[in-house]
Amino acid sequence: DAMVIQNPRYQVTQFGKPVTLSCSQTLNHNVMYWYQQKSSQAPKLLFHYYDKDFNNEADTPDNFQSRRPNTSFCFLDIRSPGLGDAAMYLCATSRETGLDTQYFGPGTRLTVL
Amino acid sequence: GENVEQHPSTLSVQEGDSAVIKCTYSDSASNYFPWYKQELGKRPQLIIDIRSNVGEKKDQRIAVTLNKTAKHFSLHITETQPEDSAVYFCAARTSGTYKYIFGTGTRLKVLA
Repeated sequence: DAMVIQNPRYQVTQFGKPVTLSCSQTLNHNVMYWYQQKSSQAPKLLFHYYDKDFNNEADTPDNFQSRRPNTSFCFLDIRSPGLGDAAMYLCATSRETGLDTQYFGPGTRLTVL
Repeated sequence: GENVEQHPSTLSVQEGDSAVIKCTYSDSASNYFPWYKQELGKRPQLIIDIRSNVGEKKDQRIAVTLNKTAKHFSLHITETQPEDSAVYFCAARTSGTYKYIFGTGTRLKVLA
């Protein structure tokens, strides 16, 4: 059974056209994360939520925003995608206790034309 | 903040040989260390993890060792098989935070 679901799996957008990626989870985990991953590089953390408490990484561009309307759902908004934003976007969840792994979704592959 | 270094960046071994990947972390408060395997186009998948109160953990052909004094941990894969070929990432999570800091990854190629 899928535990972390991402939609869509593939997204094509045009340069500058806003796009929203979604993530949902059935694990009831407090913490949700968004990562950007390019070409077998390490996943790069963009931001994370503990419940509704939003934590932005210092080097995450303002072009990236996120919303978490409830425990189950989290969205990544890219306001004006550039060619450099083409990547795999991974959503993940974890328990708050810390001594446990993250659970990753399958990812959304974003192409910017 | 935490920093994780991972070596080597690429590793080629003959099928049946062992592979070892090493990571070093900087924050002595880190207490959880997962290893992920990522195949091309797929999500990272946990293959083994270790907590700071344990020095070694083994699961069939895979083992992880942790040296808290030296602040490094290693992944050991024995009797490698072609399906072990993938990119492997180590990570560290620091007590009191929710962030996992990833190493830079190791591309493992198992040659048949």
